[in-house]
Amino acid sequence: EVQLVQSGAEVKKPGESLKISCMGSGYSITNYFIAWVRQMPGKGLEWMGIIYPDDSETRYSPSFQGQVTISADKSISTAYLQWSSLKASDTAMYYCARLAGEVSDFDYWGQGTLVTVSS
Amino acid sequence: QSVLTQPPSVSGAPGQRVTISCTGSSSNIGAAYGVHWYQQLPGTAPKLLIYGNSNRPSGVPDRFSGSKSGTSASLAITGLQAEDEADYYCQSYDLSLSGSVFGGGTKLTVL
Repeated sequence: EVQLVQSGAEVKKPGESLKISCMGSGYSITNYFIAWVRQMPGKGLEWMGIIYPDDSETRYSPSFQGQVTISADKSISTAYLQWSSLKASDTAMYYCARLAGEVSDFDYWGQGTLVTVSS
Repeated sequence: QSVLTQPPSVSGAPGQRVTISCTGSSSNIGAAYGVHWYQQLPGTAPKLLIYGNSNRPSGVPDRFSGSKSGTSASLAITGLQAEDEADYYCQSYDLSLSGSVFGGGTKLTVL
């Protein structure tokens, strides 16, 4: 069974750093892309970027380029999303999702990681 | 402002048919990239409902169907049920942005 399991909810202060994770199981992570999607409170889905864990090739949405870093460790079937300096506006639910190709559908999703940034 | 445009809300009575539109441009839907649809029930992660314009993943009822024409796509739901009340999102790939794009989402209310 394909599963994407994300790390737990986080509460951080502005300026702090954070790295959240998404572990894939039930399939070979090196054969698929992993995307990160943001959903701010009460709002829609926003594509942040993707990574191909086999070679760590990464693409970012222009809206998120320079704001976050996407990485992966294929040896443990895990993708990451990290911030070096969080802002209150980063408060959101973050989902990872699997896709077969850059233009493909997102066929499996993680359960989401809620990130709250507040002083 | 989302790259793909959806109506903010639609509604229908149980048993009725509703459609949700998704309008794009020549750099995404019109460029022959597939349109995919997701259902997000309250408090849960999105779930793939339709892929490649009109294909249903295993387990999705045939009450859900998708179509595409030109720079637009549509999701149709027939025989509305209370459990269909959710947010629905379309998604495609955009050549200009070199990445995926989502519609703003449509809230379906079952009256």
